[in-house]
Amino acid sequence: DTAVSQTPKYLVTQMGNDKSIKCEQNLGHDTMYWYKQDSKKFLKIMFSYNNKELIINETVPNRFSPKSPDKAHLNLHINSLELGDSAVYFCASSQSWTGAGANVLTFGAGSRLTVL
Amino acid sequence: QKEVEQDPGPLSVPEGAIVSLNCTYSNSAFQYFMWYRQYSRKGPELLMYTYSSGNKEDGRFTAQVDKSSKYISLFIRDSQPSDSATYLCAMREGGTSYGKLTFGQGTILTVHP
Repeated sequence: DTAVSQTPKYLVTQMGNDKSIKCEQNLGHDTMYWYKQDSKKFLKIMFSYNNKELIINETVPNRFSPKSPDKAHLNLHINSLELGDSAVYFCASSQSWTGAGANVLTFGAGSRLTVL
Repeated sequence: QKEVEQDPGPLSVPEGAIVSLNCTYSNSAFQYFMWYRQYSRKGPELLMYTYSSGNKEDGRFTAQVDKSSKYISLFIRDSQPSDSATYLCAMREGGTSYGKLTFGQGTILTVHP
């Protein structure tokens, strides 16, 4: 039973389209994250939610909108996709958002987005 | 300049070698230091983390932190082909840093039989 699961694994779409990625964790963690990994493997945080509340919102275009319906789910919707959005998007969760619990992130397998 | 710098490699070693992976950083507020391992087409998984300066050992892996030099290392003893992966260092500020990890670029390691 996968701890952090993301769907879909692969997305290929045209510029200008809108797409969503869904994430679910069954670890009972309070905090969830979206990270983006570019073609050079550089992993950078985008958003973080703690118990459905947005706590980190990095400098990300407002075409990206996260949503957390409950603490086990975190979705990412992207409007008007651009070529530069091509990347692997990782969902992750941790027990808490501060202290030692915030160091241990469990990542999903990633959603590989290709914008043509 | 990036907050965390890591030599992307690639690094290729024979089985049984000792591997040294390193990161430097510029943010003196970093208090927690982590190493994650990422296999191809998978998400990163935590190997170990340390708080502030010092050493920590876990089996064949040893993590070292030198805050005065802003330098961290991961040593892998008796490396195995199954250690072939990308190794990512990550760091976090203390206090209310809300779980924001800053990652290095990752070092690609190949251990050949």
